[in-house]
Amino acid sequence: AQKVTQAQTEISVVEKEDVTLDCVYETRDTTYYLFWYKQPPSGELVFLIRRNSFDEQNEISGRYSWNFQKSTSSFNFTITASQVVDSAVYFCALSLYVGSYIPTFGRGTSLIVHP
Amino acid sequence: DTGVSQNPRHKITKRGQNVTFRCDPISEHNRLYWYRQTLGQGPEFLTYFQNEAQLEKSRLLSDRFSAERPKGSFSTLEIQRTEQGDSAMYLCASSRKRRGQETQYFGPGTRLLVL
Repeated sequence: AQKVTQAQTEISVVEKEDVTLDCVYETRDTTYYLFWYKQPPSGELVFLIRRNSFDEQNEISGRYSWNFQKSTSSFNFTITASQVVDSAVYFCALSLYVGSYIPTFGRGTSLIVHP
Repeated sequence: DTGVSQNPRHKITKRGQNVTFRCDPISEHNRLYWYRQTLGQGPEFLTYFQNEAQLEKSRLLSDRFSAERPKGSFSTLEIQRTEQGDSAMYLCASSRKRRGQETQYFGPGTRLLVL
């Protein structure tokens, strides 16, 4: 069975601060996929990134960056110079690929960015 | 592409009534997924279709839940004899495999309240 833990329930920052969202996962499988999704107040989940278990290369996309470390089973997400529009609930998810992705989501971290 | 649409957006019903939700995927997306999200939790996978075939339904929450996708386009999720514990957001997502990659795009959800 897969499990995703997002220990931070809520994070509050002031605009322009950097913020890191933690994600720790558990799986016995050697091939798996990790995801981050954003859920703004409107409710629609927005895909941000997918990584497979064989690719530990960290990634940067604009103000977003991801740090994948298999040794600690973590897939952390950093937002640099946060903005008010970043306020949302962020979900980390883990999936095997069994013909399709069937992700197991964490409970989410609510990020509030104050002006 | 227009996005995934779901109707209704909100549904209030009395305990014991049946409800049906509809999801229209992004056109040409052959896969369609249903999730349930309760307050403060991440989405929980329920079932998915590839075209009209329902490939995974073991995670439907009880035999009161059923889903169809008769022509491989839109899908319906029905809950019979609703209970207060069914109150949640029901999310639909669709996807299509392209160049070996697949991303699920989510709809805005149907929020169900069972009184």
